[in-house]
Amino acid sequence: LAKTTQPISMDSYEGQEVNITCSHNNIATNDYITWYQQFPSQGPRFIIQGYKTKVTNEVASLFIPADRKSSTLSLPRVSLSDTAVYYCLVGSASGGSYIPTFGRGTSLIVHP
Amino acid sequence: GAGVSQSPSNKVTEKGKDVELRCDPISGHTALYWYRQRLGQGLEFLIYFQGNSAPDKSGLPSDRFSAERTGESVSTLTIQRTQQEDSAVYLCASSLAPLDNEQFFGPGTRLTVL
Repeated sequence: LAKTTQPISMDSYEGQEVNITCSHNNIATNDYITWYQQFPSQGPRFIIQGYKTKVTNEVASLFIPADRKSSTLSLPRVSLSDTAVYYCLVGSASGGSYIPTFGRGTSLIVHP
Repeated sequence: GAGVSQSPSNKVTEKGKDVELRCDPISGHTALYWYRQRLGQGLEFLIYFQGNSAPDKSGLPSDRFSAERTGESVSTLTIQRTQQEDSAVYLCASSLAPLDNEQFFGPGTRLTVL
């Protein structure tokens, strides 16, 4: 099963770019990498998903190197409302089954 | 359309009692997932359903935990003889297709076992 590792916490300031890296050394060939955002007392919310290289949407970019053993979520020009916990998810398919493995999450605090 | 809904939103029970948690996925989503999140912790995968079949139940913490799903709709997670360590938020998610990492989460059920 793929195991994911993320920094426990990060601090930033409004307007800065934030990069959060997740390690997933045992990622399987068919696994996609997905990032979620979670606010207190809410369920996680999908941010972005990718397989390799770079993916960009209206809120974030996701960088995945060729070996796919890590991924970096990039949040451009963060604001106070980006303060949340960010999780990376790698789906592990094994023997016809599927076990999604979330990282333990990175708590991002954005300061004024 | 409506998102994933869960009920109850909060449940307080006494140790040893059974509880049943309900999840209504997004209509048309074939896959449904249950997670547990302890206070200040990450998400712990419990089980997933592909239609009404659960291919892998190894994520359930003990035999006190069981889950079922009716067709491709509502699912219930049952915890028998609850223990204090069962206290957590139980999150349900659904996705359009199995093995799809774009999951849509409900607000969760906060379970407190006294």
